[in-house]
Amino acid sequence: AQTVTQSQPEMSVQEAETVTLSCTYDTSESNYYLFWYKQPPSRQMILVIRQEAYKQQNATENRFSVNFQKAAKSFSLKISDSQLGDTAMYFCAFIESGSGTYKYIFGTGTRLKVLA
Amino acid sequence: DVKVTQSSRYLVKRTGEKVFLECVQDMDHENMFWYRQDPGLGLRLIYFSYDVKMKEKGDIPEGYSVSREKKERFSLILESASTNQTSMYLCASRKTGDTEAFFGQGTRLTVV
Repeated sequence: AQTVTQSQPEMSVQEAETVTLSCTYDTSESNYYLFWYKQPPSRQMILVIRQEAYKQQNATENRFSVNFQKAAKSFSLKISDSQLGDTAMYFCAFIESGSGTYKYIFGTGTRLKVLA
Repeated sequence: DVKVTQSSRYLVKRTGEKVFLECVQDMDHENMFWYRQDPGLGLRLIYFSYDVKMKEKGDIPEGYSVSREKKERFSLILESASTNQTSMYLCASRKTGDTEAFFGQGTRLTVV
């Protein structure tokens, strides 16, 4: 069975500093997608960044970047120049690209607090 | 922008009541999902639907049912609410062929 593990329930970072959130996953598939979703206190989940497993280059979206290690099944999120608005719950998620229904499997989340 | 709207942000119901949670999306997405979010457990899939009147069980369907009579609306039904169904419920939708899911703002349900 596919699983997604986030081993850091809570983290904090000073404003303007860099923080890395960890995620590992387990799958026997070779083609899949990985995601980081953000859930701010307002509760609406939004997509932060997406990585396709067949792409070796790490995805980047402005201050957000990932370190994708396919062999190690690791998918960490780096937030640079942290801002107060980055305070949120972050979920790592996985779907198999061969699955017609594209069911997401989510990790348990990491609560990030950015300190002023 | 895609909009997924859940009918209530907060709901308090009594044990044994029949509860309806409604979700509407405005972008003609084929796929819709209901998740339950609990601390330390992340998001768990209850049911999903890939077309009108079509549904499939997720990982924790017991005690729940769903209805999708129209493409834009996906309802989650708690047939007889119990205190262990107190949770945050999230609805999501996704267009077939895309990978990004769009979420509603969540409904925090308390069963007393």
